[in-house]
Amino acid sequence: AQTVTQSQPEMSVQEAETVTLSCTYDTSESDYYLFWYKQPPSRQMILVIRQEAYKQQNATENRFSVNFQKAAKSFSLKISDSQLGDAAMYFCAYSNSGYALNFGKGTSLLVTP
Amino acid sequence: GAVVSQHPSWVICKSGTSVKIECRSLDFQATTMFWYRQFPKQSLMLMATSNEGSKATYEQGVEKDKFLINHASLTLSTLTVTSAHPEDSSFYICSAKLAGGTYNEQFFGPGTRLTVL
Repeated sequence: AQTVTQSQPEMSVQEAETVTLSCTYDTSESDYYLFWYKQPPSRQMILVIRQEAYKQQNATENRFSVNFQKAAKSFSLKISDSQLGDAAMYFCAYSNSGYALNFGKGTSLLVTP
Repeated sequence: GAVVSQHPSWVICKSGTSVKIECRSLDFQATTMFWYRQFPKQSLMLMATSNEGSKATYEQGVEKDKFLINHASLTLSTLTVTSAHPEDSSFYICSAKLAGGTYNEQFFGPGTRLTVL
């Protein structure tokens, strides 16, 4: 079974600064997908960024980027120029051909003015 | 595009009654829908995978007879919590996978908060 580990239950960042959220996973598959989802207080899950395992290039979406290290099974999320609206729970998730998402326990991000 | 709705958004029921939660993909067809459960301050746990026109696949530890899932069309899946008890109180979230879509991306509904008294 695949496992996803987020070792940081809580993180804090000042507005305009950069923060990195960590995620590691365990799998024996070679083809899979990795995701970061944001869950604000409304509890609506919002896709932040995704990465296909076969792609060596790290995914980037505006202020959000990932550092995907396939050999190390690491998938960290970097948020640049943090904004108050970035405050939320962030979940790292794994999916392979079975489609279902396997989530980590989440990291609560606090953004301070 | 790719909007998923859930109804109701919250429900309170008495112990022993049954509650049905609907999950609809509003602007796309979803051959596969997923049901997750989330307790306060915890992560999402997959309960079952629902494929249109076939029986749902339940995760280990999830009672099939208690959590009835029906996926009768390409845009609708329902979760019925039968004989609900206080320990069933939770936040239930559905997601839908775009038919023929790539990236294994799932689109999430807004969730349903169930409180069993």
